[in-house]
Amino acid sequence: NAGVTQTPKFQVLKTGQSMTLQCAQDMNHNSMYWYRQDPGMGLRLIYYSASEGTTDKGEVPNGYNVSRLNKREFSLRLESAAPSQTSVYFCASSLRDPRYGYTFGSGTRLTVV
Amino acid sequence: GENVEQHPSTLSVQEGDSAVIKCTYSDSASNYFPWYKQELGKGPQLIIDIRSNVGEKKDQRIAVTLNKTAKHFSLHITETQPEDSAVYFCAASKMGTSGGSYIPTFGRGTSLIVHP
Repeated sequence: NAGVTQTPKFQVLKTGQSMTLQCAQDMNHNSMYWYRQDPGMGLRLIYYSASEGTTDKGEVPNGYNVSRLNKREFSLRLESAAPSQTSVYFCASSLRDPRYGYTFGSGTRLTVV
Repeated sequence: GENVEQHPSTLSVQEGDSAVIKCTYSDSASNYFPWYKQELGKGPQLIIDIRSNVGEKKDQRIAVTLNKTAKHFSLHITETQPEDSAVYFCAASKMGTSGGSYIPTFGRGTSLIVHP
């Protein structure tokens, strides 16, 4: 089925370890996004890529880096994981016009111990 | 920047009752207001949206209303069913703008529980 695919679905890291969350979409969307979701905090934007070749910081970028590998793929990297980065991470994609809405992936539940 | 407040954070209703979730926004330039439903273990999914040139929109049991003057908008679910139990997010954004300003600002979510 067409949509946004995130891997892995679950991950446990030790403090200081690094990892990359992968995201791919097959809807030919221009824009892609990374959000984190914490209890009572809603969805907070980490980074986004308005189009292939561009990336920009969102509301909470510290501790993260991103790569827009091509039009389909947008990865999120944690260089040195901290317990404060324990969260559920969602990737989303959209057409440039937000009226068509976001399509979200099913999320990655990350625990940093 | 835009600020979206959403209330209540938790809403518990009996099956068949109506549920109302309210949001306010701060940026008068916002002109597009989507609502997302997030079921347990899944990503949010767009369920309905409204544009600033429309005051109300309905789709079967759900409806959204918008008051531009007061800068608030609401989601109404009638005849609730257990499968309506989920977290609902409102959002506000600006269509037709450049840079990152078109990106929606989300509310903090409402956990709706429908008791059979």
